[in-house]
Amino acid sequence: NAGVTQTPKFRILKIGQSMTLQCAQDMNHNYMYWYRQDPGMGLKLIYYSVGAGITDKGEVPNGYNVSRSTTEDFPLRLELAAPSQTSVYFCASSYPSGGEVKPQHFGDGTRLSIL
Amino acid sequence: DAKTTQPPSMDCAEGRAANLPCNHSTISGNEYVYWYRQIHSQGPQYIIHGLKNNETNEMASLIITEDRKSSTLILPHATLRDTAVYYCIVRVATSNTGKLIFGQGTTLQVKP
Repeated sequence: NAGVTQTPKFRILKIGQSMTLQCAQDMNHNYMYWYRQDPGMGLKLIYYSVGAGITDKGEVPNGYNVSRSTTEDFPLRLELAAPSQTSVYFCASSYPSGGEVKPQHFGDGTRLSIL
Repeated sequence: DAKTTQPPSMDCAEGRAANLPCNHSTISGNEYVYWYRQIHSQGPQYIIHGLKNNETNEMASLIITEDRKSSTLILPHATLRDTAVYYCIVRVATSNTGKLIFGQGTTLQVKP
């Protein structure tokens, strides 16, 4: 079972460059999430989506954009990379069932350095 | 969602029970307690969750006090592979978004 797949695993960007972090899940989950984790800190929610065509901001959305055109994919876009965006990025997915949102499944992360 | 308080770090001897506390004194009646762990910068892994009754699964047990203001995650026989950061999170199970708000968690070091 693939679960949540994130690509790339590692990337180095120069200041001002743009890139897209890819996230795909094969569990038919409606809900998807992007988090960032700075060294020694807990995860911070960037954006989330409750279904195709629906996205919303989390705790730290500035400098990022997302789209959700399919149930499977939830890419995260950095338009003008800044050193403050150096972090580890995690994608997660979940689904509602019986009036409850089930626990999230996480990918292995993308380690991004901006120099 | 209610805020949680956890000790920053704990040690446990291999083979012994690890008891990780969490304080959530402002928890609301419809909020559940969730536990996740993160092993060596991998993606977080769900462990267990509960509302007011004690819960047990193949990974751990969750003990919630009667007033629900605190809880304890118990790993009955800790192994070196249980060394990780453990996050206690409180949220409404029926949330229409399923969002999780992570704190800094407890770093559990299991020692031989």
